Amino acid sequence: EAVLTQSPGTLSLSPGERATLSCRASQTVTNSYLAWYQQKPGQAPRLLISGASSRATGIPDRFSGSGSGTDFTLTISRLEPEDFAVYYCQQYGSSRQYTFGQGTKLEIK
Amino acid sequence: EVQLVQSEAEVKDPGDSLKISCKGSGYRFTTYWVGWVRQMPGKGLEWMGLIYPGDSETRYSPSFQGQITISVDKSISTAFLQWSSLKASDTAIYYCARVHPNGDSFDNWGQGTLVTVSS
Repeated sequence: EAVLTQSPGTLSLSPGERATLSCRASQTVTNSYLAWYQQKPGQAPRLLISGASSRATGIPDRFSGSGSGTDFTLTISRLEPEDFAVYYCQQYGSSRQYTFGQGTKLEIK
Repeated sequence: EVQLVQSEAEVKDPGDSLKISCKGSGYRFTTYWVGWVRQMPGKGLEWMGLIYPGDSETRYSPSFQGQITISVDKSISTAFLQWSSLKASDTAIYYCARVHPNGDSFDNWGQGTLVTVSS
């Protein structure tokens, strides 16, 4: 299965700024089966984006996903204080196998 | 409302067996795959495996194959994750999560079960 590499490891930004998080796969992600999650300390992960670009129910439109093949991006257009968290990408491969990236920590500058 | 409610935290000795649970409600339990994800202290997410409650078909990550058993009791809408002999390295938070209808992601998550293995 594809190995997912997220960059940067840590991103330091201020509220109101734009955040761009990258997820690169070691091989083509089939059908753009790529998802993004947000995890805050002490909480379970929350699905943000599935199918590379479809926002999950209740996710604000400042979150957007893009990309295909091996390169994917999560963009947060204007950071709100509650957006500072760890973000994971995840891909779905053949035979119902799933892989997560190592995560990007988005911290307040 | 879709909910996945997991069993309480456990403290075990190395070599002990353990079975933790995940009860689904608010949806048709038998028609959605349920997965398990490990998060070791201060680390990222690792997919372990999943099960289809309708027929108990299971899939395991190669990293966890042979180390864990995933099962289900559809009569009580509950999935299980079990170990026959715990190690200290099994100390982690374990999450169950429902697979999104399109199969590519996990759309609803349990609150997590902390398993501590220590002598």
